[in-house]
Amino acid sequence: EVQLVESGGVVVQPGGSLRLSCAASGFTFDDYTMHWVRQAPGKGLEWVSLISWDGGSTYYADSVKGRFTISRDNSKNSLYLQMNSLRTEDTALYYCAKDGVVRGVTEYFQHWGQGTLVTVSS
Amino acid sequence: QSVLTQPPSASGTPGQRVTISCSGSSSNIGSNTVNWYQQLPGTAPKLLIYSNNQRPSGVPDRFSGSKSGTSASLAISGLQSEDEADYYCAAWDDSLNGFWVFGGGTKLTVL
Repeated sequence: EVQLVESGGVVVQPGGSLRLSCAASGFTFDDYTMHWVRQAPGKGLEWVSLISWDGGSTYYADSVKGRFTISRDNSKNSLYLQMNSLRTEDTALYYCAKDGVVRGVTEYFQHWGQGTLVTVSS
Repeated sequence: QSVLTQPPSASGTPGQRVTISCSGSSSNIGSNTVNWYQQLPGTAPKLLIYSNNQRPSGVPDRFSGSKSGTSASLAISGLQSEDEADYYCAAWDDSLNGFWVFGGGTKLTVL
């Protein structure tokens, strides 16, 4: 059974930094592109970033480009999101998601974690 | 506002058929496949339809998807109370360096 467990969400001040983690199990982690998707309170879904199965390609939403960095450690079956220069509008539930295509770029978000809440507030 | 356009709400009575539309452009729906996600209240999203019209295992065949040009639709037949949820469409957008875009979501109410 695929499991994705996010952690690291806390309350942080504007301008601060935070690193989110996602522990994956139940599948061959280094075969799949991984994503971060967020959802602000009461709002819709917003894709944040993706990293290819081998870590060689990364993509970012314009809203986080230059501030967030996605990475992965395939030896630890883990996905990360380093978040710098945080803004109040970054407040959201952050989901880790596994892509559906094996050793491709991206096709769809096949499995989702339960999310970790990041609150940016003074 | 979202890159993909969905109606904010939809409703139907048990047993009815409802459709939810998703409108995009040539750089997203017009050139890539569409996926649909269901988010039940208080839970994480779940993949409902992928590659325009494919159902993952475990998704009832009451759910179906279609795409034409720069628009897509999700149809739910034999509506059930447990279908009450938010539904989101998504597609890859080829503009700039490429990125995923979502619709704003449609809240489905079963009357």
